[in-house]
Amino acid sequence: GAGVSQSPRYKVAKRGQDVALRCDPISGHVSLFWYQQALGQGPEFLTYFQNEAQLDKSGLPSDRFFAERPEGSVSTLKIQRTQQEDSAVYLCASGIGTSGRGYEQYFGPGTRLTVT
Amino acid sequence: AQSVAQPEDQVNVAEGNPLTVKCTYSVSGNPYLFWYVQYPNRGLQFLLKYITGDNLVKGSYGFEAEFNKSQTSFHLKKPSALVSDSALYFCAVLKGGFKTIFGAGTRLFVKA
Repeated sequence: GAGVSQSPRYKVAKRGQDVALRCDPISGHVSLFWYQQALGQGPEFLTYFQNEAQLDKSGLPSDRFFAERPEGSVSTLKIQRTQQEDSAVYLCASGIGTSGRGYEQYFGPGTRLTVT
Repeated sequence: AQSVAQPEDQVNVAEGNPLTVKCTYSVSGNPYLFWYVQYPNRGLQFLLKYITGDNLVKGSYGFEAEFNKSQTSFHLKKPSALVSDSALYFCAVLKGGFKTIFGAGTRLFVKA
């Protein structure tokens, strides 16, 4: 069956450019997460959506990062004025139920962002 | 404060031998604990989780993990390793209802 998909898979941006990363979760999944994974590290939580509501954005590194999920399905992570330290793999995950009840997450393949 | 620790960057084991990948946590209360695996060029995959109940939980591909509250540990185990188990393993804890905190990962090498 269809899993979580992300696009683009690879993105090269010049420093200062804006980028938009897309996540298509598994149909019907309530929860949606964004993570940032630096090389050799575990995923770091960025933000969480329950349907269209962004319930936790405490992990967003700065106000240059913005995420939305307007209709409770597809989500976009936008990074404005990219900096070199933004280079990482951005992972999206979805879950069938609400996060607080311990449902496992299904991860997409990630978008590798390189800022030059 | 780090919520989950994986003390070993790498674990080496011979095929057919038992394997253990260690994880300790530092979240108060009753934690929700997870193990995920990342194969080369593939996304993270869920292996197993502990929510409540039996301290020994069984998951995919013959893996199991034991929740030990007194030692605040959730070690991943498999009785007999396969070469195909070679991958990057992440322990994770659900903190505060929404935020999942991942460990830094442990790379498992299984030698034929």
